[in-house]
Amino acid sequence: DAKTTQPPSMDCAEGRAANLPCNHSTISGNEYVYWYRQIHSQGPQYIIHGLKNNETNEMASLIITEDRKSSTLILPHATLRDTAVYYCIVRVLNTGFQKLVFGTGTRLLVSP
Amino acid sequence: SAVISQKPSRDICQRGTSLTIQCQVDSQVTMMFWYRQQPGQSLTLIATANQGSEATYESGFVIDKFPISRPNLTFSTLTVSNMSPEDSSIYLCSAIASYKNIQYFGAGTRLSVL
Repeated sequence: DAKTTQPPSMDCAEGRAANLPCNHSTISGNEYVYWYRQIHSQGPQYIIHGLKNNETNEMASLIITEDRKSSTLILPHATLRDTAVYYCIVRVLNTGFQKLVFGTGTRLLVSP
Repeated sequence: SAVISQKPSRDICQRGTSLTIQCQVDSQVTMMFWYRQQPGQSLTLIATANQGSEATYESGFVIDKFPISRPNLTFSTLTVSNMSPEDSSIYLCSAIASYKNIQYFGAGTRLSVL
């Protein structure tokens, strides 16, 4: 199972882009990279996922390196409400079941 | 996105008792899961809830302590049995929508055991 490594915490000024890195050097060719976030006292919220191409949706952009060993989640204009723990997850396939295995994540603090 | 409702949202229980948490999803889902989040920690998968059959438990979790039912495609329960203060955690229900390959989470049940 591929493991992920994220910095424990990051700071970002409101209105600026937040770039959250993730290393997944042992990722397999058929494993996707998923990003979730958890705002205090809430359940995790899906943000975006990708296999090898860059992806963008209304919440964020996901940049995956060509060798797929790392990725970056970009929040283009961070707001105070983006303060949360961000989890980078590689989806695991095990005996036909699919499950998300969470690491420790990055605690992003957006300040005024 | 799938809407996942959990009940109760929080509870305070006495040690030695059991609590059953309900999870209802508003649309067809392929898989349902239960996670635990201990204070200040990340999420840990307890088990995969299988429709009409026994749940598949992760290492460190057993059926006697965390019995799970899933009588149909959109409903599941998790029971925390013979509780101790160490069971104080947030318990989260999760599901993969059948129409897209995304896993969604409920708001969680915050359990305190005295």
